[in-house]
Amino acid sequence: GAVVSQHPSRVICKSGTSVKIECRSLDFQATTMFWYRQFPKQSLMLMATSNEGSKATYEQGVEKDKFLINHASLTLSTLTVTSAHPEDSSFYICSARKTGGFWNTEAFFGQGTRLTVV
Amino acid sequence: EDKVVQSPLSLVVHEGDTVTLNCSYEVTNFRSLLWYKQEKKAPTFLFMLTSSGIEKKSGRLSSILDKKELFSILNITATQTGDSAVYLCAVEAIIISYGKLTFGQGTILTVHP
Repeated sequence: GAVVSQHPSRVICKSGTSVKIECRSLDFQATTMFWYRQFPKQSLMLMATSNEGSKATYEQGVEKDKFLINHASLTLSTLTVTSAHPEDSSFYICSARKTGGFWNTEAFFGQGTRLTVV
Repeated sequence: EDKVVQSPLSLVVHEGDTVTLNCSYEVTNFRSLLWYKQEKKAPTFLFMLTSSGIEKKSGRLSSILDKKELFSILNITATQTGDSAVYLCAVEAIIISYGKLTFGQGTILTVHP
C-alpha cells in the first residue's frame, strides 16, 4: 500500500525554539495533506489542510503564525511549530491522499511525531 | 459543525468474545465513513464505507453503514489479544475539491487472554 513517511518520530526541544516536522508521500503524489494533533487518550484533531502550491487552510482555533505549514511539492509538506511552549507538547500526525485517486482511496497516515517541549 | 460520536468509549473483553463498536455522525456533504485501528502510533486503515447496507469484511472484522440513520458498526468476532487497540471512526466531508476527515473520540478495546 501507499506509504507516508513522517520525520522525526520523536523530538525534544527547549521552550522558545522552533521545530520542523516533515511529511512525505513516498510512492504517490499528494495534492492535499492533512495535519492532526492528538492529545493522550483523545482522538485526532484536524489542525490544517495543506494544499500544494497554495496557502494552508487552518481549522478554527489553530494559530497560523504558530503552526506554519509549507507544501512546496506534491510529495512533501512541512509543519513548523514556532516558539514552542510546553503546552505544544503533543503527538502530531500527517496524512495524505493520492492525487487523482481521491474518490476511492483512504487517507494514509504517517507514523506521527511525538513533540516534547521542555 | 461536523460531529462523530463513538460508543462505547472503552471495552474490556476476553479472547474469543465478539464485540460491536458503534459510530454515529452528523456531517454536511457526507462522502464516506472510515474505520481505523490505532495501536501505538499512526492509525492503520481498516474500512471505507460509502454505500448503505453493504457489509465490508476483512477476516474477523466487518463493518456496515446506515446512511439513513447516520450510523456505522464495526464487528470483531473471535477477538484476540492482538485486537487490543483504539478504534477510530472518521467521517469524510467534501470541501470543494478534497475530503476532510472528522474523527470520533475512539473506542479503547482491551482483549484479555
